[in-house]
Amino acid sequence: GEDVEQSLFLSVREGDSSVINCTYTDSSSTYLYWYKQEPGAGLQLLTYIFSNMDMKQDQRLTVLLNKKDKHLSLRIADTQTGDSAIYFCAEKEGYQKVTFGTGTKLQVIP
Amino acid sequence: SAVISQKPSRDICQRGTSLTIQCQVDSQVTMMFWYRQQPGQSLTLIATANQGSEATYESGFVIDKFPISRPNLTFSTLTVSNMSPEDSSIYLCSASGGAYEQYFGPGTRLTVT
Repeated sequence: GEDVEQSLFLSVREGDSSVINCTYTDSSSTYLYWYKQEPGAGLQLLTYIFSNMDMKQDQRLTVLLNKKDKHLSLRIADTQTGDSAIYFCAEKEGYQKVTFGTGTKLQVIP
Repeated sequence: SAVISQKPSRDICQRGTSLTIQCQVDSQVTMMFWYRQQPGQSLTLIATANQGSEATYESGFVIDKFPISRPNLTFSTLTVSNMSPEDSSIYLCSASGGAYEQYFGPGTRLTVT
């Protein structure tokens, strides 16, 4: 079955870059997502990448995909205190269900 | 994009009772899903709500405990039956209107005492 793994915790200083990593096992994944969840709040879709792409940039966010190694990363440039949250990577095959990673808690130190 | 609303947003229920959660999407969608997020955990898929037929349940979840309805392309309900404290979680409705589109509702925070 699908398995999506993330490191549990990341701490960075305000203004630095954050890199959150994710590995997945399903080679038939079509789309890969990054979601943000702030305390007590719902899920916010940050960005997604199609599996035939290797990079996508959206303002402060850069997504890198290494399909050979089944490795996905999210880089947040100039990290702010408002970026403190839990970040989930997720994968999806076509119209099927979305499988979520374990989540990475990002702590931004002022 | 699609906007999803859920009712209730939160509830405190007694052990042994049942709660029905409603999910409304503001546009017709192909697929609807129900997820559970236990405290401090990631999201786990409970089932796919199929329009006009029985829901498809993931391993570890059964229809008797989590009956689901989907009468049309914009609405679904999830019932948590015979609740126990272990059912205390956030329950999220999700909808997919296209291949990459995946939207989530705000969640229903359930506490069972």
